Amino acid sequence: SQQGEEDPQALSIQEGENATMNCSYKTSINNLQWYRQNSGRGLVHLILIRSNEREKHSGRLRVTLDTSKKSSSLLITASRAADTASYFCATGGGSARQLTFGSGTQLTVLP
Amino acid sequence: DTGVSQDPRHKITKRGQNVTFRCDPISEHNRLYWYRQTLGQGPEFLTYFQNEAQLEKSRLLSDRFSAERPKGSFSTLEIQRTEQGDSAMYLCASVEGGGPYEQYFGPGTRLTVT
Repeated sequence: SQQGEEDPQALSIQEGENATMNCSYKTSINNLQWYRQNSGRGLVHLILIRSNEREKHSGRLRVTLDTSKKSSSLLITASRAADTASYFCATGGGSARQLTFGSGTQLTVLP
Repeated sequence: DTGVSQDPRHKITKRGQNVTFRCDPISEHNRLYWYRQTLGQGPEFLTYFQNEAQLEKSRLLSDRFSAERPKGSFSTLEIQRTEQGDSAMYLCASVEGGGPYEQYFGPGTRLTVT
């Protein structure tokens, strides 16, 4: 079953604009990760934020985590056409430390 | 390229046939995961190996599915008597060490059951 929900399901923006995606989850977590998936390919890890962190940056990416609201957001600044992909949040936990993914946001960046 | 490879990349099979997929993780990674992803959804956990031991299986993994990781290196996932509902992308991921670290995913095997 899916742990969380991403919002919006689809987002279309112009190159150079910022893109914000939100993720909500249901249970307590150890960490939350964001992954990118280009069409028909495997997933690529973007960033991990631990449950005791509130914000993290990596290049053009900014992730926030609000454990009281069980939500996270991913901001991509100055978007490029190459950022076109599906973005998934995933929570880590469980005895196998497996990832539980949301249903993803499909981002389209128009040149 | 994450360093994790999967073979084949695509497999078309007829209902009732058996199929086997292979995953080669990053060599120093002792943890290996299999996930299944259907169209428009995020991946769902199937099973987990630590070295050669299969330590956890999801209830999604029916008894038609079996996975192995001999010698703690590559892993195989076999589906017996395939059904149309098995059509999906099967993803493998590997992780180094024991912490909640990032998972390195392979490119996936897309299975189509006709």
